[in-house]
Amino acid sequence: DAKTTQPNSMESNEEEPVHLPCNHSTISGTDYIHWYRQLPSQGPEYVIHGLTSNVNNRMASLAIAEDRKSSTLILHRATLRDAAVYYCILSLRANNLFFGTGTRLTVIP
Amino acid sequence: DAGITQSPRHKVTETGTPVTLRCHQTENHRYMYWYRQDPGHGLRLIHYSYGVKDTDKGEVSDGYSVSRSKTEDFLLTLESATSSQTSVYFCAITKDRGANNEQYFGPGTRLTVT
Repeated sequence: DAKTTQPNSMESNEEEPVHLPCNHSTISGTDYIHWYRQLPSQGPEYVIHGLTSNVNNRMASLAIAEDRKSSTLILHRATLRDAAVYYCILSLRANNLFFGTGTRLTVIP
Repeated sequence: DAGITQSPRHKVTETGTPVTLRCHQTENHRYMYWYRQDPGHGLRLIHYSYGVKDTDKGEVSDGYSVSRSKTEDFLLTLESATSSQTSVYFCAITKDRGANNEQYFGPGTRLTVT
């Protein structure tokens, strides 16, 4: 399975945009790019996913590079409630989501 | 929020005892999953189910068994708990198995084996 590389940690100031990068240079043509986040002491929470085109939903935006070897999760205005571990995952099937260790986002008031 | 509950939420048990964790969903989703989460490992898939009485192994299935007799319930059993099974266990569900489906997770069960 294709792997992803994310920074271990990032910081952002509250109410500023956050760009969380993910590299997936070995992505295959049928891999979807998923993002989940995990708040402290909670289960993971679905954020967004996409295949080729950029995607927007109420939580975030997903920008996918033209060659699909990288993607960026964009939180438009970080809040304290966005402090979490963010996982970038490639998936062929829903039963094949491999979670790595993710990026720990700290939001500074 | 997806209707997923896990029970118990916390459990302490002794080595060698059997333990069963329950996942219950009210979404009528076909697919259900059990993961464990340990520091430095992210989440790892233990077993999953693709329908009543249909299950398959995941990445770290040794020492675990599962059963699904009803669509809404997915049970994870540790036949003889060991200290290496101390972990946080998460249940998840999806409507379908395709990669274009999001998983919804339960709140987790923290299991300590002494």
